[in-house]
Amino acid sequence: GAVVSQHPSWVICKSGTSVKIECRSLDFQATTMFWYRQFPKQSLMLMATSNEGSKATYEQGVEKDKFLINHASLTLSTLTVTSAHPEDSSFYICSADQRVGSGELFFGEGSRLTVL
Amino acid sequence: AQTVTQSQPEMSVQEAETVTLSCTYDTSESDYYLFWYKQPPSRQMILVIRQEAYKQQNATENRFSVNFQKAAKSFSLKISDSQLGDAAMYFCAYRSARNTPLVFGKGTRLSVIA
Repeated sequence: GAVVSQHPSWVICKSGTSVKIECRSLDFQATTMFWYRQFPKQSLMLMATSNEGSKATYEQGVEKDKFLINHASLTLSTLTVTSAHPEDSSFYICSADQRVGSGELFFGEGSRLTVL
Repeated sequence: AQTVTQSQPEMSVQEAETVTLSCTYDTSESDYYLFWYKQPPSRQMILVIRQEAYKQQNATENRFSVNFQKAAKSFSLKISDSQLGDAAMYFCAYRSARNTPLVFGKGTRLSVIA
């Protein structure tokens, strides 16, 4: 149980286009989902927290208009990178929190974004 | 704000030997969770072990165990009988309460030498 699926796992896009990444909790309802970004050989940095049915809370320094996060249901959160540029190339990982659980967060497989 | 510090960017261990990865954290909370995650080259985050702060007993999971020192705010991971498959990046992480995010350390890259 407690499976989180993230899609796509790998995407290449042209500069100026938008890319949507989906994060789904397959067998549980996720009250909260967190989006992280990871540059090569670095740690995971929190980008934003999304709660179902409400606006996401962004970390300082994260552009809200560039990284659009939507959490429309208890099983789906999406991250849209708008007008992507090469500096947005990174590894994006989502994690989900169960309603009733052990404090553990469950991670998606991650999405590698390359902007040409 | 809570912080997590991993002071060993890289470690290596001989196969079948034991290695300990260090982690310290800073918090004013009394109730929280601590985790060790493994990230192999696939970059999938794999939970290795977790510890609730209110539990005095150190958590163990097969070859993995922790030394949790609450007063010292220390949470080290011991890997016994190291295997080649243990080679990966290891992240120590802190979580204060439900609905809060994980705070990660910078990671320790573990190499296992055959």
